[in-house]
Amino acid sequence: DTAVSQTPKYLVTQMGNDKSIKCEQNLGHDTMYWYKQDSKKFLKIMFSYNNKELIINETVPNRFSPKSPDKAHLNLHINSLELGDSAVYFCASSKARFQPLHFGNGTRLTVT
Amino acid sequence: QKEVEQNSGPLSVPEGAIASLNCTYSDRGSQSFFWYRQYSGKSPELIMSIYSNGDKEDGRFTAQLNKASQYVSLLIRDSQPSDSATYLCAGPFRPNAGNMLTFGGGTRLMVKP
Repeated sequence: DTAVSQTPKYLVTQMGNDKSIKCEQNLGHDTMYWYKQDSKKFLKIMFSYNNKELIINETVPNRFSPKSPDKAHLNLHINSLELGDSAVYFCASSKARFQPLHFGNGTRLTVT
Repeated sequence: QKEVEQNSGPLSVPEGAIASLNCTYSDRGSQSFFWYRQYSGKSPELIMSIYSNGDKEDGRFTAQLNKASQYVSLLIRDSQPSDSATYLCAGPFRPNAGNMLTFGGGTRLMVKP
């Protein structure tokens, strides 16, 4: 009965490839997010998605795109992967925009 | 100035002592703050929420918010080795970006037996 689940847990790929990370939440939350945690452990917001409203952190390259087929899912697509994309990506959800986040277990992406 | 700032540490305290973790923020309009604990290789886990000035206690944890001075703190009483982790402060900043929850860089706490 995992609340926020991400797949895959590990993803190793080569530069230039396109990859996706899936996220699902069974908490009935209205808002979902993607965060990137780099090697220095800094957790950086990438996107939030609420009721078909997508909010994008302006520093995120347009190679990254979230896709939400329904309220319980927010997948992350990454095109033309670069070495600097290597990080741990966390999906999260919250009841509403100003409520605390519940995180998934993370996906460790390694680009070689 | 970063939106949320924390001392990266490590903060080392002996077992049984009080650990004090601090966080300052830049957006005066922020109303709610959260403390997360992250063990190495794991995801962040919510341990405290605070929405108004003053103290909020939950077991061995006390969160303190001072909006006038723009800081948030977390006190851990009777620190245990199992409290050793990175503690992340977060608040809904960046009003131009939908007030998405923004995290500080985290403070690494080490509790020595």
